[in-house]
Amino acid sequence: NAGVMQNPRHLVRRRGQEARLRCSPMKGHSHVYWYRQLPEEGLKFMVYLQKENIIDESGMPKERFSAEFPKEGPSILRIQQVVRGDSAAYFCASSPSETLSGNQPQHFGDGTRLSIL
Amino acid sequence: DQQVKQNSPSLSVQEGRISILNCDYTNSMFDYFLWYKKYPAEGPTFLISISSIKDKNEDGRFTVFLNKSAKHLSLHIVPSQPGDSAVYFCAARATGNQFYFGTGTSLTVIP
Repeated sequence: NAGVMQNPRHLVRRRGQEARLRCSPMKGHSHVYWYRQLPEEGLKFMVYLQKENIIDESGMPKERFSAEFPKEGPSILRIQQVVRGDSAAYFCASSPSETLSGNQPQHFGDGTRLSIL
Repeated sequence: DQQVKQNSPSLSVQEGRISILNCDYTNSMFDYFLWYKKYPAEGPTFLISISSIKDKNEDGRFTVFLNKSAKHLSLHIVPSQPGDSAVYFCAARATGNQFYFGTGTSLTVIP
């Protein structure tokens, strides 16, 4: 599946450490979205990025969380000073440019499962 | 503020019968609607979608219906198969290419 690639699949961190989650979108996709899924809950939107731009970060906690999608390389979701409540599955999705392709779905990676000890 | 709602957390259906999953939304500006299927430990997989200018889209065993006046979306699976057992998410796109997801319905198809 040459789709959205996320790594690592599993990440364990101790409280206070930093977590970095990576996402490489599908080839040709210029939009990246990050979602968080807590146990027994649905997908919660966090942030929407295009290359070098944050379009919407209304779902991101104001502190400790940041995201980037540089011109070269994967998108990174960074969580500083992690706490137990950050334990969740983090999913990345990508889509083509809306103006180029009309109605196109997002395609998801298999997620990173973050566990905080 | 949940703009897309799936009010049934779970649904059980006998194999061969129809599964109907429902979704309600509040934003009349949504222009594109999607259903995703998710297995444990995997990412959601795109299933079927519908533009707001249509009221039905069919793909094999899967049909999505859109009732704009009621702001209601449904997914019909017929006949249901055990392999359809998964969590189903509906999603909607707002202007600016932002997507909103429901909280999911866990479908169990009983052999």
